[in-house]
Amino acid sequence: DAGVIQSPRHEVTEMGQEVTLRCKPISGHNSLFWYRQTMMRGLELLIYFNNNVPIDDSGMPEDRFSAKMPNASFSTLKIQPSEPRDSAVYFCASSLPPSYEQYFGPGTRLTVT
Amino acid sequence: AQTVTQSQPEMSVQEAETVTLSCTYDTSESNYYLFWYKQPPSRQMILVIRQEAYKQQNATENRFSVNFQKAAKSFSLKISDSQLGDTAMYFCAFMKPQPAGTALIFGKGTTLSVSS
Repeated sequence: DAGVIQSPRHEVTEMGQEVTLRCKPISGHNSLFWYRQTMMRGLELLIYFNNNVPIDDSGMPEDRFSAKMPNASFSTLKIQPSEPRDSAVYFCASSLPPSYEQYFGPGTRLTVT
Repeated sequence: AQTVTQSQPEMSVQEAETVTLSCTYDTSESNYYLFWYKQPPSRQMILVIRQEAYKQQNATENRFSVNFQKAAKSFSLKISDSQLGDTAMYFCAFMKPQPAGTALIFGKGTTLSVSS
């Protein structure tokens, strides 16, 4: 079975540019999570969806960040405009309650110069 | 708000030895889940083991076992017969379950080095 798929795996962009990260959850999973990992803050939740509906976006840093889940098999995280402090690894994870186990994608390493 | 604390930033162990990683958490909830995730240098997050708070029996998965002390809010991971492939960062995580599931709250992690 295919796991959670994220693209791109690496992204290097210049400050001010728009960045779009993509995620395909495991087929049949109805909860999807976006996490960010940095040295300073560790792993933290940005936003999560249940049945394509955003449930908790309190972790989204500011208006420059937006996330969508137009259907059960696809989600995007967009940063516009990007800033150097956005440099991090962004993980997507999915789960199927009631197991509550979250399965992570390989992550996208974002570097903003 | 829930918090997760891992007090050991780094640990090292020899192959075949046993090592225990510590984790404490703070919550007012009575029902929740606890997890240990492994992150090797490849950065992939891998679920190692999980524990439901309502279960008194400690979870085990092959060489990995936990010591869950609910009253003390402690959740340590024991790795027996350590292998070189166990070298990774280990994260303890808390989750408050709801009908739809909620996000994981992670500790800062413990870097484990296994040497031959």
